[in-house]
Amino acid sequence: DVKVTQSSRYLVKRTGEKVFLECVQDMDHENMFWYRQDPGLGLRLIYFSYDVKMKEKGDIPEGYSVSREKKERFSLILESASTNQTSMYLCASSSLSTEAFFGQGTRLTVV
Amino acid sequence: LAKTTQPISMDSYEGQEVNITCSHNNIATNDYITWYQQFPSQGPRFIIQGYKTKVTNEVASLFIPADRKSSTLSLPRVSLSDTAVYYCLVVKRAGGYNKLIFGAGTRLAVHP
Repeated sequence: DVKVTQSSRYLVKRTGEKVFLECVQDMDHENMFWYRQDPGLGLRLIYFSYDVKMKEKGDIPEGYSVSREKKERFSLILESASTNQTSMYLCASSSLSTEAFFGQGTRLTVV
Repeated sequence: LAKTTQPISMDSYEGQEVNITCSHNNIATNDYITWYQQFPSQGPRFIIQGYKTKVTNEVASLFIPADRKSSTLSLPRVSLSDTAVYYCLVVKRAGGYNKLIFGAGTRLAVHP
């Protein structure tokens, strides 16, 4: 069974902290994605990676960075968390010829 | 990537057929139309994909007219468990990666 695993389901962090959200996939997929989801706004793409060490900005990359040192792992980094980054974060992966598979999401609260 | 437009919300009753239309006027020749479904507190999941005419699987049907500028997701005889958000995406399937852009989706509410 395909699996995309996000390291935490719920996370509470303080303003100014550096936050790491981890995502691991076991399907040898080339593509990995980070989205955030806020009420009424659907999923908005933060960053996308199409290969190890390769990344591309999505629609809302400001305040975020990413790291992909291994094919199976894609990390989202909030360099200095702010309250407006409180959101649901969703990771996904896909190959060149398959649909995307999503993790369960991480609900991040920044206080 | 072609931008998509779909209704923000729809209401239906159990047992009815629901049709959700998506506009994608700038779709390119090698683009496919893909639909995802998202239940509360879960990530989206793929339900159907098509290039032209009609595609049917155990969950839904997808109708795509000849000009491919729109598509319609059809859910036969919906039940309460079909209450979800439905997203229409345009994706490339040839020559390169797919940068999946979701919009706000269509929130479908099925009533008893």
